[in-house]
Amino acid sequence: AQKVTQAQTEISVVEKEDVTLDCVYETRDTTYYLFWYKQPPSGELVFLIRRNSFDEQNEISGRYSWNFQKSTSSFNFTITASQVVDSAVYFCALVDSSYKLIFGSGTRLLVRP
Amino acid sequence: DADVTQTPRNRITKTGKRIMLECSQTKGHDRMYWYRQDPGLGLRLIYYSFDVKDINKGEISDGYSVSRQAQAKFSLSLESAIPNQTALYFCATSDSQETQYFGPGTRLLVL
Repeated sequence: AQKVTQAQTEISVVEKEDVTLDCVYETRDTTYYLFWYKQPPSGELVFLIRRNSFDEQNEISGRYSWNFQKSTSSFNFTITASQVVDSAVYFCALVDSSYKLIFGSGTRLLVRP
Repeated sequence: DADVTQTPRNRITKTGKRIMLECSQTKGHDRMYWYRQDPGLGLRLIYYSFDVKDINKGEISDGYSVSRQAQAKFSLSLESAIPNQTALYFCATSDSQETQYFGPGTRLLVL
């Protein structure tokens, strides 16, 4: 069965610190997609990134970077030089052959000034 | 204009009432979904539809029903609302690349 685990329930950092959000997934499929979404205090869900299972290349987008490692079934998300506006709940999610998006329970990030 | 819209954005209702939450999308996607979000539980899938003639139950469909009126519209109904259906409800759409795009959410309070 598919499962996404975000073991960090809440993280608090001071502005300008780097922070890594962990995500571990389980699936029996060889083809699947992984995602990160951001949910700011206003409540909407914002799509950040999609990775397919055949593309283990790490990606950097501004202050955001993602480290996908199939060997450890992990898809971690790092924010460099965090800012107060990064405060949000971040969800990791998985889609495999079932076509259903399975979410982790989320990590609440608080960036203090 | 937003690509995925939900109405209403907020709703307060009483136990036993029937209510409908509506979702519309302009992205041209065939696939649409309804989720609910409860504190500490992430998002859970209620129903999903891969085209107008296709409706499927998700993991928590009891107490809910849906209608796919057109490619662009997918409605969620609570036939007889109960307090434990108080939650934040999201509609989403996806393309063949599987990325799901979410509406702004509907906050529902059942008294």
